[in-house]
Amino acid sequence: GAGVSQTPSNKVTEKGKYVELRCDPISGHTALYWYRQSLGQGPEFLIYFQGTGAADDSGLPNDRFFAVRPEGSVSTLKIQRTERGDSAVYLCASSPRGGTSGGAVNEQFFGPGTRLTVL
Amino acid sequence: RKEVEQDPGPFNVPEGATVAFNCTYSNSASQSFFWYRQDCRKEPKLLMSVYSSGNEDGRFTAQLNRASQYISLLIRDSKLSDSATYLCVVSPPNTGFQKLVFGTGTRLLVSP
Repeated sequence: GAGVSQTPSNKVTEKGKYVELRCDPISGHTALYWYRQSLGQGPEFLIYFQGTGAADDSGLPNDRFFAVRPEGSVSTLKIQRTERGDSAVYLCASSPRGGTSGGAVNEQFFGPGTRLTVL
Repeated sequence: RKEVEQDPGPFNVPEGATVAFNCTYSNSASQSFFWYRQDCRKEPKLLMSVYSSGNEDGRFTAQLNRASQYISLLIRDSKLSDSATYLCVVSPPNTGFQKLVFGTGTRLLVSP
């Protein structure tokens, strides 16, 4: 079946501009996550949605970053007034539901990411 | 101190070799542990979960030492296709198993 998809695959923008990054989770997955991966680093948690609501946004670096998931499926990560330091790969992941199932932690399935470059 | 620390490598090994990676985590109350694999310019994929009793999946063995707060991954009979970055991942306490904290990854290069 189809995996997590993200668009665009690459985005180049200028400092100060606004960008939107889209994530389509695996059909039926209620939990959705955004991570950011800088060069040479592991992914860094940004925000987690359970359904339509942001259950944990503790990883968003500042108020320029915002994410929505209005219908509990597709999510959009929005970055205002982009800065050069925002350049990274933005990864989206989904899982069947948050937490655990039958004692096992639900696996997070990652999309291919959006490579954001801020000039 | 970082929440999850790994030696970034690279580890250069010949085909057929056995290689081991270690990772340490800072929060003793962390609840779940994983190894993810990430190929160059690709997304991370779950390799295996790590249980207190240790677990094995084919050529891969993962172990958890809660007392010392470290996690290990052993790869036996390395294949060229094992070349990748191996990410140590921890789920911190009080996050409902939602938040994953990744190490920087250990790069493995298997040569003919």
